[in-house]
Amino acid sequence: QQQVKQSPQSLIVQKGGISIINCAYENTAFDYFPWYQQFPGKGPALLIAIRPDVSEKKEGRFTISFNKSAKQFSLHIMDSQPGDSATYFCAGGGSQGNLIFGKGTKLSVKP
Amino acid sequence: KAGVTQTPRYLIKTRGQQVTLSCSPISGHRSVSWYQQTPGQGLQFLFEYFSETQRNKGNFPGRFSGRQFSNSRSEMNVSTLELGDSALYLCASSPWLGGGGSPLHFGNGTRLTVT
Repeated sequence: QQQVKQSPQSLIVQKGGISIINCAYENTAFDYFPWYQQFPGKGPALLIAIRPDVSEKKEGRFTISFNKSAKQFSLHIMDSQPGDSATYFCAGGGSQGNLIFGKGTKLSVKP
Repeated sequence: KAGVTQTPRYLIKTRGQQVTLSCSPISGHRSVSWYQQTPGQGLQFLFEYFSETQRNKGNFPGRFSGRQFSNSRSEMNVSTLELGDSALYLCASSPWLGGGGSPLHFGNGTRLTVT
């Protein structure tokens, strides 16, 4: 009940395209769903997060879509740029526990 | 504001030895969480400390331990090192307790290699 499943493992997108990464969670007690971005040699950095009382959150080119009934959420990166090439992690958690991370998606944006 | 600082950045140890990793959280942050990152298992939670007390613990053997000091700085210790302990160890801080429900600010990690 603690898993967060993330797909795809890797993704190649052309510059200007849309990158989509999907996650599914099992624990219905989760009430916080962040996405982290990690560059080689660096720690993960918080990109955007959502709580289950909203179905969508947008920050610049990054959008989280959240489907509570399906226990799924996704990250959309619009107008993808080479500088977006990184590994992205979704996660789920609640204030009573710790964050459970997906296994990560390695995104490559080709010029 | 300075970010989360982890020292050292790299460590090479021999099987059977022990190691201590250090983490300085963002100023004012009282919660420190530790994660192990490996290519196969991804990011796995080790423990969370708040006000010098361990508040939450992941599914790791007792060889993994930690502590937090009154200035919120934290250390984690791994005793009797095994080859499988080779990983990137990440520390993350948060202003309040409940690392699962609040933004975590990660350091750049300590890369531990066990030979």
